[in-house]
Amino acid sequence: IAGITQAPTSQILAAGRRMTLRCTQDMRHNAMYWYRQDLGLGLRLIHYSNTAGTTGKGEVPDGYSVSRANTDDFPLTLASAVPSQTSVYFCASAPSGEAYNEQFFGPGTRLTVL
Amino acid sequence: AQSVTQLDSQVPVFEEAPVELRCNYSSSVSVYLFWYVQYPNQGLQLLLKYLSGSTLVKSINGFEAEFNKSQTSFHLRKPSVHISDTAEYFCAVSENNAGNMLTFGGGTRLMVKP
Repeated sequence: IAGITQAPTSQILAAGRRMTLRCTQDMRHNAMYWYRQDLGLGLRLIHYSNTAGTTGKGEVPDGYSVSRANTDDFPLTLASAVPSQTSVYFCASAPSGEAYNEQFFGPGTRLTVL
Repeated sequence: AQSVTQLDSQVPVFEEAPVELRCNYSSSVSVYLFWYVQYPNQGLQLLLKYLSGSTLVKSINGFEAEFNKSQTSFHLRKPSVHISDTAEYFCAVSENNAGNMLTFGGGTRLMVKP
């Protein structure tokens, strides 16, 4: 079934540890996104990529990095996790970076940083 | 920069009653408007969107939203809700000259009671 997969489903992490959240899509979408979801704040964009080989910063990029080596994968790395990064993280993709496109979301990763 | 306000964080309603979820946005340029729905423990999925043309847009499961440019609103309505409509609803906006950078509202939790 076509879609987006994220791994892990959930993770508890000690502060200061490095963590990579994985995201893979099989829809051959050019654009991919990482959001964090916090109660009352909705979803906020962390980083995005409009095509393989390019990335950009969203609203809340500090403490996070991404790479886009190929079309399908868009990993999000926390170099040194802090408790304020406790959140639910969603990966999304779209056919292109045009503003009118629907975004397709993965099931999310629940991350707790202690 | 655009912003989105969802005026109600929670809306309790009895089954078969009508409901309206309010959304207001601010932007200095033309926008595209979206409503996404998140069922428990799932990612977001598109409910409906306004790109251009008729200001009233409808979903396949009975929801509708009307774009009101003068009031900068995009309220979501349903004349008769079901238990299965219980979910969190997010209004989102993208500016049509800024790529697919969605800005989300804080979300409204619709709780349908029997």
